[in-house]
Amino acid sequence: AQKITQTQPGMFVQEKEAVTLDCTYDTSDPSYGLFWYKQPSSGEMIFLIYQGSYDQQNATEGRYSLNFQKARKSANLVISASQLGDSAMYFCAMRNNQGGKLIFGQGTELSVKP
Amino acid sequence: GAVVSQHPSWVICKSGTSVKIECRSLDFQATTMFWYRQFPKQSLMLMATSNEGSKATYEQGVEKDKFLINHASLTLSTLTVTSAHPEDSSFYICSARSSTGTRAAYEQYFGPGTRLTVT
Repeated sequence: AQKITQTQPGMFVQEKEAVTLDCTYDTSDPSYGLFWYKQPSSGEMIFLIYQGSYDQQNATEGRYSLNFQKARKSANLVISASQLGDSAMYFCAMRNNQGGKLIFGQGTELSVKP
Repeated sequence: GAVVSQHPSWVICKSGTSVKIECRSLDFQATTMFWYRQFPKQSLMLMATSNEGSKATYEQGVEKDKFLINHASLTLSTLTVTSAHPEDSSFYICSARSSTGTRAAYEQYFGPGTRLTVT
């Protein structure tokens, strides 16, 4: 069975600083995808970044990068140069490439301080 | 702009009535759509997966007779909450995966959600 774990219910970061949001996962499938989504207070889910299990390099999308450590089964999200608009819930998610279901972690509430 | 829409964005209904929520993919064909439920300050819980033209697959613990899902076309899926009760009050979010076209195959797009309140 698949499992996604986010152990940080809440995080604070100073504006312009970098922050790392932790995510660990467990799966017996060799082929899977890892996702990060941002959910502001409006409720919409905003796709941030994707990492495939066979990707050799860590994914990057602008200020977002994914620190993928396959042996440790971790897929931490790094946000560089935090902005006030980054304050939101962040969810890590995983999908195996057979079933197609996207399973979410518990989420981390990020607050950016001015 | 938004690629998946939901309607309505919020709804209040009386206990015992039924409510239908629509989910549309706007600029791509979605062979698979997903329905999630989210309680305040909690994660998204997958309720069911629907494939166009076939019956939905429900997650364990989700009552299929209470949460009716129809995926009649490649751009439309509906969730009907039948005989709603206050405990069904939640944020319902649909999601769609692109099967073809320019959208990345791995991406899954979410609707803006529907906030259901049952009084």
